[in-house]
Amino acid sequence: EAGVAQSPRYKIIEKRQSVAFWCNPISGHATLYWYQQILGQGPKLLIQFQNNGVVDDSQLPKDRFSAERLKGVDSTLKIQPAKLEDSAVYLCASSLEAGPNYGYTFGSGTRLTVV
Amino acid sequence: DAKTTQPNSMESNEEEPVHLPCNHSTISGTDYIHWYRQLPSQGPEYVIHGLTSNVNNRMASLAIAEDRKSSTLILHRATLRDAAVYYCILRDQRNTGKLIFGQGTTLQVKP
Repeated sequence: EAGVAQSPRYKIIEKRQSVAFWCNPISGHATLYWYQQILGQGPKLLIQFQNNGVVDDSQLPKDRFSAERLKGVDSTLKIQPAKLEDSAVYLCASSLEAGPNYGYTFGSGTRLTVV
Repeated sequence: DAKTTQPNSMESNEEEPVHLPCNHSTISGTDYIHWYRQLPSQGPEYVIHGLTSNVNNRMASLAIAEDRKSSTLILHRATLRDAAVYYCILRDQRNTGKLIFGQGTTLQVKP
């Protein structure tokens, strides 16, 4: 089974620029998540989608971050404008369903450096 | 969300069993116990999960205390590839059961 695909693998941008990350979940997985992982910390959930609807975006800084999941498959996460503190690894994960009896599969992440 | 407490770090020797503890004294009856691990420069990886009974899979075993206030992840024979950060996470089946990560335990495996 193919895993969760993310691109790009690395990105370096200047502060105040914009950036977008792409995620292709496992085929048939209804639930998709974006996490932010700052160096030395555990991943932090930013947003959860169920099919193409948002279930939880309470931790998403909506003044600069946005995410969409068109047609309930691929998803993009955008940051505009980026700040230095946005430097982190952005992880995408998918799950067959949202319930706690299902495990998540994570991608390898996109490492963002804001200079 | 119910909290878990794990040691910051542990060491093990290669080819020996490893017991990674997790305390969750405020666990509710609807919380599942999940374990994930994160190898360097990779995304987290699902290891195992359970509700009340002990569980085994090809990667590990999960031993859950009778009162469910603690659990132990058991790696039966550690290899160098098992060096990672191990996260013990409670997921509530009353809501979406989202995965909330703490600091985890950094496991070092010595040759």
